[in-house]
This record gives sequence, structure tokens and C-alpha cells, in this order.
Amino acid sequence: AQSVTQLDSQVPVFEEAPVELRCNYSSSVSVYLFWYVQYPNQGLQLLLKYLSGSTLVKGINGFEAEFNKSQTSFHLRKPSVHISDTAEYFCAVSDRNTGFQKLVFGTGTRLLVSP
Amino acid sequence: GAGVSQSPRYKVTKRGQDVTLRCDPISSHATLYWYQQALGQGPEFLTYFNYEAQPDKSGLPSDRFSAERPEGSISTLTIQRTEQRDSAMYRCASSLGTGGDEQYFGPGTRLTVT
Repeated sequence: AQSVTQLDSQVPVFEEAPVELRCNYSSSVSVYLFWYVQYPNQGLQLLLKYLSGSTLVKGINGFEAEFNKSQTSFHLRKPSVHISDTAEYFCAVSDRNTGFQKLVFGTGTRLLVSP
Repeated sequence: GAGVSQSPRYKVTKRGQDVTLRCDPISSHATLYWYQQALGQGPEFLTYFNYEAQPDKSGLPSDRFSAERPEGSISTLTIQRTEQRDSAMYRCASSLGTGGDEQYFGPGTRLTVT
């Protein structure tokens, strides 16, 4: 079984500042890793994913994440945030050995960007 | 269709009533997932379909919950004899196939059981 920990429930930051949203996971098997974003009254949208290869993954809207196998982490970063990045961010994993993608999500981190 | 749609967007029902939620996936997508998201939590897997087959129901909380996808397209999630603890956002997602394919999520149905 897998589990995901997002320790920060809320991260306040000023516009144009850098941000890091932390994600740690636990799994007895190899996993795929994902970050999703949820804007108010909308569905979840995929930001980026790690399947294999380079451990630094670039996604949409200027976000990137780095897979660290030894620390079982997949932290999300952006060098300069905008007001429009205000949203809830979810880290998720799935077992790469199964034939389907049963996502296991963390509890989410609310990013609050202020002017 | 252009994206995943769900209906209704909001549903208020009395305890003990049955409810049916609908998901219309992206038309070319073989795989469809249902998730339950309680307030302040991340989505939790309920079940999934590969076309009309339902290989995994392990996340359904009880036998009051059932899902169908009879023609491999539209899916319904039915909750019988609803309880207050069933109040949550129910999210549907679809993907082209399985493995690492991106899941596209619908806007969700907010269910409130009074």
C-alpha cells in the first residue's frame, strides 16, 4: 500500500517570491508520482508527473518537481509565483506495477499568493 | 466530449434516500475512475472501469455503494440508503488507457446528506 504526506496544509507567499510545496510518500513498491492543482469550483488538473528517467520534471505554468528516491520525496517548486497560482495542490502516487492508475492522494496544500 | 462532465453538480438529499450520480467521460477514453473527497482531504479511490469491465471495487466503502458503466461510456455511481457520513465531493476521472496515462477530472458532484 502507498501513502502520501503533505505536511503543510497552507502556504502563504507574496507574489513573485519562490515557493516549495513538500510531498513525501511511503510505498513498498515502485511508484509513479504526480502533482495536481485544483482551482475553486473546478476539477483537478495535472501539473506534472514522474514516470521514469530524469528526476527533475517540468510541468505547466512554470512548476517543476524533483523526485528523490532516497528521501522518498517529490517536492514541487516555482521560482516566482503569481496571484493566479492561488489554489490547492495535491501530491499523488500510484503503483507502477499494476495495470491501472489507482491514485493515492495527500491531504493537499493550499497556496495563498498575496500582492 | 471536450472534457469530463458530471451531473448534478450539487445534490442535497435526506438520510435514507438513494442517490445516483452521473459521469460522462471524454469520448475516446477507455478508463474511468470514481473518487470520494471529504472536506479537507484528498480524493480517495472508490472504483474504476476499463470499458465496461469493473476490475477493482476495493475502495467502495460499503455494499450501499455501486457503480455501473454498461456500454463502456457513461458511468453512474449509486448510493443506497444514504447516511450523513456519505456527504462529500464525488469526482470522476477518465484516461486513454492505464499505467501512466493522465487522468482528466470532472468538476465533481457535491453531495450533502441531511
